[in-house]
Amino acid sequence: GQNIDQPTEMTATEGAIVQINCTYQTSGFNGLFWYQQHAGEAPTFLSYNVLDGLEEKGRFSSFLSRSKGYSYLLLKELQMKDSASYLCAVRDLPGGFKTIFGAGTRLFVKA
Amino acid sequence: GAVVSQHPSRVICKSGTSVKIECRSLDFQATTMFWYRQFPKQSLMLMATSNEGSKATYEQGVEKDKFLINHASLTLSTLTVTSAHPEDSSFYICSAIPWRDSFYGYTFGSGTRLTVV
Repeated sequence: GQNIDQPTEMTATEGAIVQINCTYQTSGFNGLFWYQQHAGEAPTFLSYNVLDGLEEKGRFSSFLSRSKGYSYLLLKELQMKDSASYLCAVRDLPGGFKTIFGAGTRLFVKA
Repeated sequence: GAVVSQHPSRVICKSGTSVKIECRSLDFQATTMFWYRQFPKQSLMLMATSNEGSKATYEQGVEKDKFLINHASLTLSTLTVTSAHPEDSSFYICSAIPWRDSFYGYTFGSGTRLTVV
C-alpha cells in the first residue's frame, strides 16, 4: 500500500532550526516533494529530491535516502511567517505524474 | 510563469444543486491536470486525473457520476459536483505540471472552498 508518515505538529522558536521528517512506503518512486501550505491557501512548491543527498535552497534544505524511504525538510533561521503546514509528497509512478501527499506537519513558530 | 487559475475561490450552494469549478493553465499547456480534495487539518486526497481529450481517471472510492470532470482543451479542466450534499463541503484544489521533466512539481490553483447548506 501507499503510506507517507510525518509528525502532526511541531513547535519551534523564531531564529532556530527545525527538521521535519518524512518516511514513505510506496509501490514505486519517482521523486519526493516538499510543499508549504498556509491555512486556507493552496500548497506552494519548496523542494524536489529524486537522488539521495541534500538539496539546499536558501533557508530551506531537503534530504533524501531512497534506501531508507526517508526524507527531511530543514528550515533555518525560522521566521514567524514560516508557521504553516509542510506536506511531504511522493510521485510513485516512473514516467508518471501522480503524486501522493502525506497528512502534513503543522509548524508553529513562536517568538 | 506556470500559473494555474482556479475559479470560483468560494461558493455556497444549496443541497441538491450542482457546482462547477474551473481550472485554467494560463501560460502553459496542460495535457494532464489533477483534482484534489482537502478536509480541515487533513492532507490533499487525489480525486481524479484529468486527461485532455479523454475520460478522467478516478481514484478508488470517488464517484465518477457525482464528480464530473471535463478536460476539453489543453488549458481548461472543469470539476462539477452534482447533487451536492453537506458532506461534499471541502476545499477543492486543481493542479498541473508545467514542464514535462516535472522538476518543479505541481503548480496548484488557489483552491475553491465549497460550502453546501
